Amino acid sequence: AQSVTQLGSHVSVSEGALVLLRCNYSSSVPPYLFWYVQYPNQGLQLLLKYTSAATLVKGINGFEAEFKKSETSFHLTKPSAHMSDAAEYFCAVSASGYSTLTFGKGTMLLVSP
Amino acid sequence: GAGVSQSPSNKVTEKGKDVELRCDPISGHTALYWYRQRLGQGLEFLIYFQGNSAPDKSGLPSDRFSAERTGESVSTLTIQRTQQEDSAVYLCASSLSQGPNNEQFFGPGTRLTVL
Repeated sequence: AQSVTQLGSHVSVSEGALVLLRCNYSSSVPPYLFWYVQYPNQGLQLLLKYTSAATLVKGINGFEAEFKKSETSFHLTKPSAHMSDAAEYFCAVSASGYSTLTFGKGTMLLVSP
Repeated sequence: GAGVSQSPSNKVTEKGKDVELRCDPISGHTALYWYRQRLGQGLEFLIYFQGNSAPDKSGLPSDRFSAERTGESVSTLTIQRTQQEDSAVYLCASSLSQGPNNEQFFGPGTRLTVL
């Protein structure tokens, strides 16, 4: 069975500041890990995914995430926040042989001028 | 190209009524998923269809919930005798094939409110 914990239901940053959204997972088998973003009144959009290749994964809109097996973490970062990054972010895990995703509860990113 | 579409976008119903939610996946996508997003919660898996295989219904919360899919196209999620705790956004996703390496594309969701 898999599970995902996202620390912090809300994260506030200033425009231009570093964005760090935390995600820890548990999985009994090597995981596939995903970050999705949900803008208001829109569906979820894939930001990036880890599928056992490089541990540092680059995604769209300048986001990246690093898979750390020893810490069971897959934190999402962006060096400089933009106002347009304000949205809800979901971390998700799946496992080889499974197609369905297990999601965290989400983190709302607030960006102030 | 066209993405995943869902209808209606919003549905308000009275407790005890039945509702049907519709999902049109991306053409050619063989896998289709239904998730539920309750306020303040992450997405919960409900049911998964892959081609002509028997669906994975392991996430359905009760026997009031059911879903059908016509071939590799439209799917409907039916909730019978709705309860207030069924209020949520119901999201549909589709992917080209099965397996976690295949990106799931999500629709905008149907917001269900049970009064």
